[in-house]
Amino acid sequence: EVQLIESGGGLVQPGGSLRLSCAASGFTFSIYWMHWVRQAPGKGLEWVSRINSDGTNINYADSVKGRFTVSRDNARNTLYLQLNSLRVEDTAVYYCARGTPAGARRYWGQGTLVTVSP
Amino acid sequence: QSALTQPPSASGSPGQSVTISCTGTSSDIGGYDFVSWYQQYPGKAPKLIIYEVNKRPSGVPDRFSGSKSGNTASLTVSGLQAEDEADYHCCSYAGNYVVFGGGTKVTVL
Repeated sequence: EVQLIESGGGLVQPGGSLRLSCAASGFTFSIYWMHWVRQAPGKGLEWVSRINSDGTNINYADSVKGRFTVSRDNARNTLYLQLNSLRVEDTAVYYCARGTPAGARRYWGQGTLVTVSP
Repeated sequence: QSALTQPPSASGSPGQSVTISCTGTSSDIGGYDFVSWYQQYPGKAPKLIIYEVNKRPSGVPDRFSGSKSGNTASLTVSGLQAEDEADYHCCSYAGNYVVFGGGTKVTVL
């Protein structure tokens, strides 16, 4: 069974940092593109970042470029998102998802909530 | 990286059809056949229901169909059922990034 389990969310002050993790199981993690997608309270989905299978091809949304860093450890079957210089508007549920370069596909995690507040 | 445009809401009676539009540009929807649609219930993760404009993952009822014309994609839900009441999000590949629409809340009257 494919599983994606996010962790690392929490309450942080503006300007602070967090590191999100996404533990993958039930499939060969090392061959798939992975995506981070977020959803602010009461809002739509917003694509955040994607990373290819070996971590050599990475893209970010303009809203997070220069502040967030995506990475992966294929030996540990884990995807990461480092969130720096956090802003109130980064408050959202962050999902990891398995996909292709074109976007997330069938398998999503349950999400982890990041709250940025003074 | 502008968001795709979806109507905030749509509705229909059981058994009827509802169509949701998703408008982008030639840099996203119009440039690639990589439009996907997701269904989302409150408090739950999104579920893929259409990918590559009009393909359905296994297990998704054929009541759900997708299409594209120019810079606009559409999702049609035929034979509306109570369980179809949810939020629907479109998404498109755009080369160096991926972009979502704002989401459409579908109400079954």
